[in-house]
Amino acid sequence: SQQGEEDPQALSIQEGENATMNCSYKTSINNLQWYRQNSGRGLVHLILIRSNEREKHSGRLRVTLDTSKKSSSLLITASRAADTASYFCATDFGNEKLTFGTGTRLTIIP
Amino acid sequence: DVKVTQSSRYLVKRTGEKVFLECVQDMDHENMFWYRQDPGLGLRLIYFSYDVKMKEKGDIPEGYSVSREKKERFSLILESASTNQTSMYLCASSSTPSSNTEAFFGQGTRLTVV
Repeated sequence: SQQGEEDPQALSIQEGENATMNCSYKTSINNLQWYRQNSGRGLVHLILIRSNEREKHSGRLRVTLDTSKKSSSLLITASRAADTASYFCATDFGNEKLTFGTGTRLTIIP
Repeated sequence: DVKVTQSSRYLVKRTGEKVFLECVQDMDHENMFWYRQDPGLGLRLIYFSYDVKMKEKGDIPEGYSVSREKKERFSLILESASTNQTSMYLCASSSTPSSNTEAFFGQGTRLTVV
């Protein structure tokens, strides 16, 4: 399987702190995407970073991509209770298929 | 508002039944996907379709088949449901090329096979 791996599997932080989660993958990619899933629901797209990009921002989200290390990180700044969710990275290997990782479960403690 | 709609949120079926999970998208997307999600295993791709009547196997196609007779509809079929197919099933769609665009997900169908 070409599935990515998120790290850590679970993360609990206080509200207002920053949360960082990482994703590693195995082969060359066209792009890498991050998704959020609230409990028992579908996934919602957060951000897409292409293989020729190194960093991207969207509101309180910052994504980095290191293709030499085959890894990406998602930083959520100034966390809020509403950020409690599971976060998944997804990779596009150029074959039109999106391959997802196992996810990081983020809990924000009020 | 763009939408991917799955026909059921919850389903309970008996072992051996033939089960149909339906997914409809209103965005004229070429690509449609079926994933299953299990605790600790993330999302695993079952089947993928890049055009009407076209399909490709994903990572775990055994025990499943799919149908795409119209561009907007992608059906997942469990030919003879088994208890190990109890899972959350997620449908998604995206435009082509997928390298430039996000995928949109349905709300999921939680299937229990008893």
